[in-house]
Amino acid sequence: KQEVTQIPAALSVPEGENLVLNCSFTDSAIYNLQWFRQDPGKGLTSLLLIQSSQREQTSGRLNASLDKSSGRSTLYIAASQPGDSATYLCASAGTYKYIFGTGTRLKVLA
Amino acid sequence: NAGVTQTPKFRILKIGQSMTLQCTQDMNHNYMYWYRQDPGMGLKLIYYSVGAGITDKGEVPNGYNVSRSTTEDFPLRLELAAPSQTSVYFCASTPAAAGETYEQYFGPGTRLTVT
Repeated sequence: KQEVTQIPAALSVPEGENLVLNCSFTDSAIYNLQWFRQDPGKGLTSLLLIQSSQREQTSGRLNASLDKSSGRSTLYIAASQPGDSATYLCASAGTYKYIFGTGTRLKVLA
Repeated sequence: NAGVTQTPKFRILKIGQSMTLQCTQDMNHNYMYWYRQDPGMGLKLIYYSVGAGITDKGEVPNGYNVSRSTTEDFPLRLELAAPSQTSVYFCASTPAAAGETYEQYFGPGTRLTVT
């Protein structure tokens, strides 16, 4: 059974710092790995999707990597801003289903 | 495209009442999902559907029922509401098919309180 873990659960950084969020999964037989952002009281917004055959994806200040052999994905945020404050969730895609981690709550201090 | 829409946005139920959470997508996606998110937690899959007329249980199906009579609609039914069902419910959809890369699109959620 796939289990997805995100560490740390919460993170507070000063504005301008580069930071890394971690996502681990136990079953490497995944189709893709997706990162989401969730603002308080809101739904999920897709940030990046990495296909199982890819190593990384980039969008603006965000870079996500995938290492299936070690069961890890990282989300790198460059030059963090207060507007990046949110909860970040990763989800692994198996046949038909996504399994979600519990998220990392990020606060970027001005 | 409106994407994935959910109604209602908020609802308060008394213990033992029933209700249906509505979900509609206009992207012609075959796959649809219902999740619940408890405070400070990730999303848990309740039910999913791979096409009209086909549904299956997820991780936490007890106390819920679903139907999928059309591609667009995937309602979630709570028959006898319990306080443990207080949560935020999200509906999502993806394009077909197993083996292809598919991105999940989410609705805005329904915040349900059972008292």
